[in-house]
Amino acid sequence: AQKVTQAQTEISVVEKEDVTLDCVYETRDTTYYLFWYKQPPSGELVFLIRRNSFDEQNEISGRYSWNFQKSTSSFNFTITASQVVDSAVYFCALSANNAGNMLTFGGGTRLMVKP
Amino acid sequence: EPEVTQTPSHQVTQMGQEVILRCVPISNHLYFYWYRQILGQKVEFLVSFYNNEISEKSEIFDDQFSVERPDGSNFTLKIRSTKLEDSAMYFCASRPRASTDTQYFGPGTRLTVL
Repeated sequence: AQKVTQAQTEISVVEKEDVTLDCVYETRDTTYYLFWYKQPPSGELVFLIRRNSFDEQNEISGRYSWNFQKSTSSFNFTITASQVVDSAVYFCALSANNAGNMLTFGGGTRLMVKP
Repeated sequence: EPEVTQTPSHQVTQMGQEVILRCVPISNHLYFYWYRQILGQKVEFLVSFYNNEISEKSEIFDDQFSVERPDGSNFTLKIRSTKLEDSAMYFCASRPRASTDTQYFGPGTRLTVL
């Protein structure tokens, strides 16, 4: 069975602050993929990043960075210098070959960035 | 850039009625999925579809649900007799081929059952 836990249900920051969204996962598969999706108020799911279980290199894309640590089964997401447009619900998700590649989502973290 | 489309964006129906939610996946994609999100909750997997048959389904996907790919472009989710608890956002997703590929989501259909 797969499980994704996002312990922070809601985070509120002031613009320009850095913020880290936590994600912890469980799976018995040795090959798996981790994702982050953004859901803005308009409701769609926007793909942000995918990492596979063999690649623990951290990644940076502009103000976004991701820290994948297999030892702690975590895949955390940091937004640097947050902006009001970053306000959204962020979902961490997991898929594994042996689970038909369906996505198992965490409960989501609602990020509110205040001006 | 190609994208997954869904129609309608919002559907209101009476309890007990049948609804069909439509999706047009990205044209060269081979794997198709339906997920649902009850308001304020997490996104949940319903069913995956490959090579004209269901490959995986969740406990939510009971006999009231069915999926079909009636032609080369559309992928539909039918709910035979809607219940109040079927009210949710339904997302369609597709991915190209390899297990390493990302699933891309449509904008969703908000279903309201009265």
